[in-house]
Amino acid sequence: EVQLVESGGGLVQPGGSLRLSCAASGFTFSSYDMHWVRQATGKGLEWVSAIGTAGDTYYPGSVKGRFTISRENAKNSLYLQMNSLRAGDTAVYYCARGEGGSSGLIDYWGQGTLVTVSS
Amino acid sequence: SYVLTQPPSVSVAPGKTARITCGGNNIGSKSVHWYQQKPGQAPVLVIYYDSDRPSGIPERFSGSNSGNTATLTISRVEAGDEADYYCQVWDSSSDHLWVFGGGTKLTVL
Repeated sequence: EVQLVESGGGLVQPGGSLRLSCAASGFTFSSYDMHWVRQATGKGLEWVSAIGTAGDTYYPGSVKGRFTISRENAKNSLYLQMNSLRAGDTAVYYCARGEGGSSGLIDYWGQGTLVTVSS
Repeated sequence: SYVLTQPPSVSVAPGKTARITCGGNNIGSKSVHWYQQKPGQAPVLVIYYDSDRPSGIPERFSGSNSGNTATLTISRVEAGDEADYYCQVWDSSSDHLWVFGGGTKLTVL
């Protein structure tokens, strides 16, 4: 059974930093792309970052230069380092598994971890 | 950037058929995936590659994609289908490479 468990969320002041982690199990972690997707309260889903099996990374402009996605295959773990946080980054952050290539398929999601940016 | 447009809400009586649309420029040329999200829960994949169903998803859920509109169809709607539904595609020309629609709240009357 595929399991994705996020941790590391919490309250942080504007301009601060936070590192999210995602522990994966039930599949061959190194063989899959991985994603972070966020959802502000009452809002829709927003893709935040992705990392391929070769370590290639992708970000939208809203977080590029502030967020860094990384993976540690030996530990079946995914990370998101978030710097220069803003109030607009407040959201539940989901770790998710993706299929490679141009299909864009994201097939499994974790339960999410809440990040609150506030003074 | 590529934009996916969904109706904010759809209402349907139990036992009837619900259709949730997802509009995008020439979306028929892309693979569309659909997710169900119930309150306080993570999204769950219900349709992938336009019309395929993951194991465990009832046959009542189906999908189609042509032209500028993709559609998620839920037949014989049950109270437990009440949720938010999101369509999603991958678009290499967008800032957000993985693009989500704004979501549709399905209400079972």
